[in-house]
Amino acid sequence: EAGVAQSPRYKIIEKRQSVAFWCNPISGHATLYWYQQILGQGPKLLIQFQNNGVVDDSQLPKDRFSAERLKGVDSTLKIQPAKLEDSAVYLCASSLGGYQETQYFGPGTRLLVL
Amino acid sequence: SQKIEQNSEALNIQEGKTATLTCNYTNYSPAYLQWYRQDPGRGPVFLLLIRENEKEKRKERLKVTFDTTLKQSLFHITASQPADSATYLCALPGSGGSYIPTFGRGTSLIVHP
Repeated sequence: EAGVAQSPRYKIIEKRQSVAFWCNPISGHATLYWYQQILGQGPKLLIQFQNNGVVDDSQLPKDRFSAERLKGVDSTLKIQPAKLEDSAVYLCASSLGGYQETQYFGPGTRLLVL
Repeated sequence: SQKIEQNSEALNIQEGKTATLTCNYTNYSPAYLQWYRQDPGRGPVFLLLIRENEKEKRKERLKVTFDTTLKQSLFHITASQPADSATYLCALPGSGGSYIPTFGRGTSLIVHP
């Protein structure tokens, strides 16, 4: 079974530029999560989708971050414009759905904002 | 709001010994708790889930306990090996109608040969 795919793996941009990350979840997984993990900290949820609807985006900085999940499969996360403090690893995860659920994580995209 | 605490200091142990990691939480009564392993440059990998009505759960060399009175979970690795060296994260589901899972910052385990 293929795992969660993410691209790119690494990205370096200058502040005020824009960047987009892509995620392809495990086939059949209804729920998709985007996390931000700053060095030395645990993953922090940015947005959660159930199929192509948003379950929770209360921790997403909506003035600069946006995310979509078209057709309930792939998802993209965009930052525009980027700030220095956005430097982090962006993790995508998916799960079958339901309350007690195991999340399967992708390898992450490491973003450095200069 | 709910808070998770994991020891930020790395745990160094000798190969063959039992490693014990701690996860404490406050302001919360979770229905379950999960443990994940994270290697450098990789995403977390699920290890175990323990429910509030379970005191203990085992999987091969791993054992997790869940004390809802103390609001604490202990994660044990018996007969530890250098390959067990990684960061271990505990995670709680959302609370109070929230679907936001919360992860601890993780504890780094280093097993010396």
